[in-house]
Amino acid sequence: RKEVEQDPGPFNVPEGATVAFNCTYSNSASQSFFWYRQDCRKEPKLLMSVYSSGNEDGRFTAQLNRASQYISLLIRDSKLSDSATYLCVVTPGTGNQFYFGTGTSLTVIP
Amino acid sequence: GAGVSQTPSNKVTEKGKYVELRCDPISGHTALYWYRQSLGQGPEFLIYFQGTGAADDSGLPNDRFFAVRPEGSVSTLKIQRTERGDSAVYLCASSLYGEQFFGPGTRLTVL
Repeated sequence: RKEVEQDPGPFNVPEGATVAFNCTYSNSASQSFFWYRQDCRKEPKLLMSVYSSGNEDGRFTAQLNRASQYISLLIRDSKLSDSATYLCVVTPGTGNQFYFGTGTSLTVIP
Repeated sequence: GAGVSQTPSNKVTEKGKYVELRCDPISGHTALYWYRQSLGQGPEFLIYFQGTGAADDSGLPNDRFFAVRPEGSVSTLKIQRTERGDSAVYLCASSLYGEQFFGPGTRLTVL
């Protein structure tokens, strides 16, 4: 079983739409959670960390559900510039590996 | 300030050849990671350095892969007897406190 599972999409949404991505993880002892964004042929960049209490950064909201072992990312009022691949990242309770999901592709359409 | 840099940006080699990929982390970052990313996949962990030592090399796929970081800064990923399946983007990341900053990657193509 993979450490992190994501729906690869693609998600094609109109500008202004709200879109949500989910990601599940297999290790209940996982400690830290992140969402990274990766543009085509570019390196991944941190979008936001995910905290137990949930956190918001402008149009982006991240949530963690430890009981069900999933994290989510909500994007409100989608912009064309939000088009990218969104990678879910989980770190285990021990060790230093970052486990990446396969990424979810988002295209925002004018 | 300067980010993580990687050289070369592209490398084409023939099956069976030896290649070296270089990573220059952000100055002062003690942790350095190597990942491999194939098309349509997320980055796959290869090895992690804390300072000069390889703290976790459990992601290296086999003994053809080796990495060093002799002075605790620049790192080199070495691949012996390359195979076509080694073709991928090799990403390096560095960090000081948690967040990993990625370099642009080296696109390796093995013919």
